[in-house]
Amino acid sequence: DAGVIQSPRHEVTEMGQEVTLRCKPISGHDYLFWYRQTMMRGLELLIYFNNNVPIDDSGMPEDRFSAKMPNASFSTLKIQPSEPRDSAVYFCASSRRQGRTGELFFGEGSRLTVL
Amino acid sequence: GNSVTQMEGPVTLSEEAFLTINCTYTATGYPSLFWYVQYPGEGLQLLLKATKADDKGSNKGFEATYRKETTSFHLEKGSVQVSDSAVYFCALRTDGNKLVFGAGTILRVKS
Repeated sequence: DAGVIQSPRHEVTEMGQEVTLRCKPISGHDYLFWYRQTMMRGLELLIYFNNNVPIDDSGMPEDRFSAKMPNASFSTLKIQPSEPRDSAVYFCASSRRQGRTGELFFGEGSRLTVL
Repeated sequence: GNSVTQMEGPVTLSEEAFLTINCTYTATGYPSLFWYVQYPGEGLQLLLKATKADDKGSNKGFEATYRKETTSFHLEKGSVQVSDSAVYFCALRTDGNKLVFGAGTILRVKS
C-alpha cells in the first residue's frame, strides 16, 4: 500500500509569496494531521481533520495559515504571505478510526525555506 | 494538559553498547504510549507502542514498558548498531485523538 504522500519535498520561496503544501493520506484513514517541525520548537500539531472536517486548529500559528480537506484523499496547508520564521519541515500524517490506540502514519515531509 | 518529557541529547554510544532513553509523561485520562523514530531526511515511523499499564512494546530489539506508577515509558536496547542512529520521539495519545510528542532525543552510534 502507498503511504502518506506529500508534495513538494522541498520548497524555497521568498518572503511574501504564497506557499501551498499538499498531502494525500492513506486510503481508508479517517484522520489527517498537519505537524510542523523546527529545531527550536520540535514537533507542533497545527490542525487535524476527522472525515474531512477540521476538529482542532488551535495550533495554527496565525491567520496567514489555512488548511483544507476538500475530500478524503487530499488536503492542503497554505501560508499566505510567507515569512522567514515559517521555515520548517511540515509533516502530514493519517490514521484509522482507532482512538487513543491508533498509530499515525507520517509522510516524508515538505521542507520549506522562506528567504 | 498532556505532556511528554524525554531526556535531552545527543546521546552518543559505541556500537554494541546498551541504550536507555528516558521518557515520562503527564496525562489526563488513560493514554496510550508510543516511541517513534525519525531517520535522517525521513518522516517519523512507529517503533513500538503500549496501550495499557504493564504492557511491553517491542520491535527491532527495542523495548519499552508502560509504567503507570512512575508515569514512565523508557526505551531500551541491549546492543545498538550504527544503523540505529536517528531521532527518537516519545509520544502519548488519549481519547481526544491528539498525539503529543516529546522534544526528541538524538542518538548517535559510533563504529
